[in-house]
Amino acid sequence: GENVEQHPSTLSVQEGDSAVIKCTYSDSASNYFPWYKQELGKRPQLIIDIRSNVGEKKDQRIAVTLNKTAKHFSLHITETQPEDSAVYFCAASKPARGYNKLIFGAGTRLAVHP
Amino acid sequence: GAGVSQSPRYKVTKRGQDVALRCDPISGHVSLYWYRQALGQGPEFLTYFNYEAQQDKSGLPNDRFSAERPEGSISTLTIQRTEQRDSAMYRCASSLESQGRTEAFFGQGTRLTVV
Repeated sequence: GENVEQHPSTLSVQEGDSAVIKCTYSDSASNYFPWYKQELGKRPQLIIDIRSNVGEKKDQRIAVTLNKTAKHFSLHITETQPEDSAVYFCAASKPARGYNKLIFGAGTRLAVHP
Repeated sequence: GAGVSQSPRYKVTKRGQDVALRCDPISGHVSLYWYRQALGQGPEFLTYFNYEAQQDKSGLPNDRFSAERPEGSISTLTIQRTEQRDSAMYRCASSLESQGRTEAFFGQGTRLTVV
């Protein structure tokens, strides 16, 4: 079955620096790749997603890139702020009867220091 | 309500007892998912409902776990004869799954502790 690996498990940056989190997936049929942010004690919330027909997507300080050949995708956060501190999860899914069974990575704990 | 609601928020039960976890999805959302999230890990898929039909239960760990969504809205995840290894955060998510809108909205979860 699908497997998603996420690196690094922890990431510490200074405010204003960029942060990059990388994920690889195993199933070449996967075509939907969301990223979720989970603040301490709260529910995971979608921050950005990308489909396999697109190589890059950007939303203000957040961008996601996808390399289908290499089966990896990355989250880029620029000009990090303390409120970006959270656990970030990548996920992958493939079309299956019209629903998205998400396979998640293990998460990256991002700490942004003022 | 405005979001996915789960109850109870916390459940402590003794080993061997049955528990029922409730999920109230966003109104109008066709798809409902149950996930289990161990501490420090990403959510792990358990089962999926399309309206009242349970279309995928491949993630349920064993036959002590079952779920239902009888009227296509509220869902219940039941764990029979609980074991300590069942302790985790159980999260429900719902999605419109229509016109390309596939975002899954998660509930705040039920933290289950089996003692």
